[in-house]
Amino acid sequence: ETGVTQTPRHLVMGMTNKKSLKCEQHLGHNAMYWYKQSAKKPLELMFVYNFKEQTENNSVPSRFSPECPNSSHLFLHLHTLQPEDSALYLCASSQDTGGGYNEQFFGPGTRLTVL
Amino acid sequence: SQQGEEDPQALSIQEGENATMNCSYKTSINNLQWYRQNSGRGLVHLILIRSNEREKHSGRLRVTLDTSKKSSSLLITASRAADTASYFCATDGGSNYKLTFGKGTLLTVNP
Repeated sequence: ETGVTQTPRHLVMGMTNKKSLKCEQHLGHNAMYWYKQSAKKPLELMFVYNFKEQTENNSVPSRFSPECPNSSHLFLHLHTLQPEDSALYLCASSQDTGGGYNEQFFGPGTRLTVL
Repeated sequence: SQQGEEDPQALSIQEGENATMNCSYKTSINNLQWYRQNSGRGLVHLILIRSNEREKHSGRLRVTLDTSKKSSSLLITASRAADTASYFCATDGGSNYKLTFGKGTLLTVNP
């Protein structure tokens, strides 16, 4: 175990549904990340939070809405998704986003299928 | 794009053999990292090599970095079936935290 947990592990939703993905890290880190991993494509960085402040939004559509209530928890709220949004969504954390040379610790991911 | 590109895309070897994977990138970096991903799971950090380092070892792993060629290699010695996974290189492009991953090398180690 990496110290980063994600729930649910699998999610199937219709295009009109609203759901949320949850990530929790038990490592005392201050930075958290959302990534999207689609088949045959490189891992894509979506959002970055450092000390609860969003520092990166990588041109992600507004149907994905992140929330970081504290340094240990990160949510990704989903609404009116498209079938092409089906992917493995990975959460990661690191000590912070400054100071250099930070390895990232990943959760097991949520496999999302949009029907 | 500063994206890392792994080569080969897929590699199949027998247990006990060595596996070498390569990564090329396009921009300057502070560090390069290698990660492993078992099927459908999260990524696990393997090793980080800084731009001023040329070689690094961790157990059966050996990583080299050639910044003049913008390339890195990951060598796994005496491979085991449990090493079967996808391996990704990630570069930071000077940001320290904004990692860019390649598409990965799928390594299969046959018993």
